[in-house]
Amino acid sequence: NAGVTQTPKFQVLKTGQSMTLQCAQDMNHNSMYWYRQDPGMGLRLIYYSASEGTTDKGEVPNGYNVSRLNKREFSLRLESAAPSQTSVYFCASSEEVLGGRETQYFGPGTRLLVL
Amino acid sequence: DAKTTQPPSMDCAEGRAANLPCNHSTISGNEYVYWYRQIHSQGPQYIIHGLKNNETNEMASLIITEDRKSSTLILPHATLRDTAVYYCIVDVNYGGSQGNLIFGKGTKLSVKP
Repeated sequence: NAGVTQTPKFQVLKTGQSMTLQCAQDMNHNSMYWYRQDPGMGLRLIYYSASEGTTDKGEVPNGYNVSRLNKREFSLRLESAAPSQTSVYFCASSEEVLGGRETQYFGPGTRLLVL
Repeated sequence: DAKTTQPPSMDCAEGRAANLPCNHSTISGNEYVYWYRQIHSQGPQYIIHGLKNNETNEMASLIITEDRKSSTLILPHATLRDTAVYYCIVDVNYGGSQGNLIFGKGTKLSVKP
């Protein structure tokens, strides 16, 4: 049971380049999330997906697009990378827990540097 | 903005209990208190959550005051591997898989030998 996996682990881009960050979970969770974490800061939600085929914007969606390919996979795309998108990106998935709230399980992160 | 206030850092001696406070004075009646931690360079890890009763699991205990305006996470016997940033989070959305965990800056706990 791998949990939440992310690829790549590290990436360096030049300004204007595009790339897709991949995320997959094997826990049969309905919900998946993308967060970014800047140095010394907490996590901020970029996009989330409540179920296959649905996506919604989070706190900082500008400059990003997402695709919920199937129940397992949720990808994050940067169409034209900017230095301000240099960050660590975390994917998460969640289940319903008894008592009405969800525990989120996080991947190991993708470290992105945009030059 | 995060709905919680935590001290930026704390130290704890190895083997002693670590007590991490959190203020959430504007918490609503049906909002939960969640605790996560992030060990350096890793993804956050769920620890425990509660509504109004005290909770305990294999990792920690959560003590919530009767007025629910504050809580304390207790690691009963801290080890060096517990050195991490600890986030206290008040739940924003309800059910429906629209969890938007608002992470503040957390408390950096340093466990020292």
